[in-house]
Amino acid sequence: AQSVAQPEDQVNVAEGNPLTVKCTYSVSGNPYLFWYVQYPNRGLQFLLKYITGDNLVKGSYGFEAEFNKSQTSFHLKKPSALVSDSALYFCAVRADTGRRALTFGSGTRLQVQP
Amino acid sequence: NAGVMQNPRHLVRRRGQEARLRCSPMKGHSHVYWYRQLPEEGLKFMVYLQKENIIDESGMPKERFSAEFPKEGPSILRIQQVVRGDSAAYFCASSPPIQGGNEQYFGPGTRLTVT
Repeated sequence: AQSVAQPEDQVNVAEGNPLTVKCTYSVSGNPYLFWYVQYPNRGLQFLLKYITGDNLVKGSYGFEAEFNKSQTSFHLKKPSALVSDSALYFCAVRADTGRRALTFGSGTRLQVQP
Repeated sequence: NAGVMQNPRHLVRRRGQEARLRCSPMKGHSHVYWYRQLPEEGLKFMVYLQKENIIDESGMPKERFSAEFPKEGPSILRIQQVVRGDSAAYFCASSPPIQGGNEQYFGPGTRLTVT
């Protein structure tokens, strides 16, 4: 079985400050990890993914994530937050073999204050 | 390149009626996934289909729910005899046929309300 934990329901950060949204995972085999963002009444937009290779992955809108195998984590980061980054962020995982269905975390609401 | 299309965007059904949700994948994508999102929760996998085949339906309730992806036309998620607990946002995603760590691209969702 695979699972994802996003321990923070909400993260508050001031505009211009760095942000981190936490994600830990459990999967049998090697993980494929994904971050998605959801704006109100919209679908999910793909931000970035880790498949293999460099542990630091760069994605859309200045976001990046760091894969840490020993800590089974894949935290989302951005050096300088924007008010427009305020949204719901989901981490997802699947194994590199077997089922292609994604398992999602419960989501973290990011609130960036001006 | 148009994204994943879903219709209707909003659907209201009375208890006992049928709901039909449609999904057209991105051009060139032959894999379709359906997920359900309850308010303030993450997405839960329901079913994974390729053209004319159900590959994985492990997340689909055994009764009242069915899905298809015919050779021609959109994928359909069908819910018979809807109940209030079926009220949720239903998202479709698609990915290309190439194996590997392809991301899934999501549609805007269908918000089903059962009254």
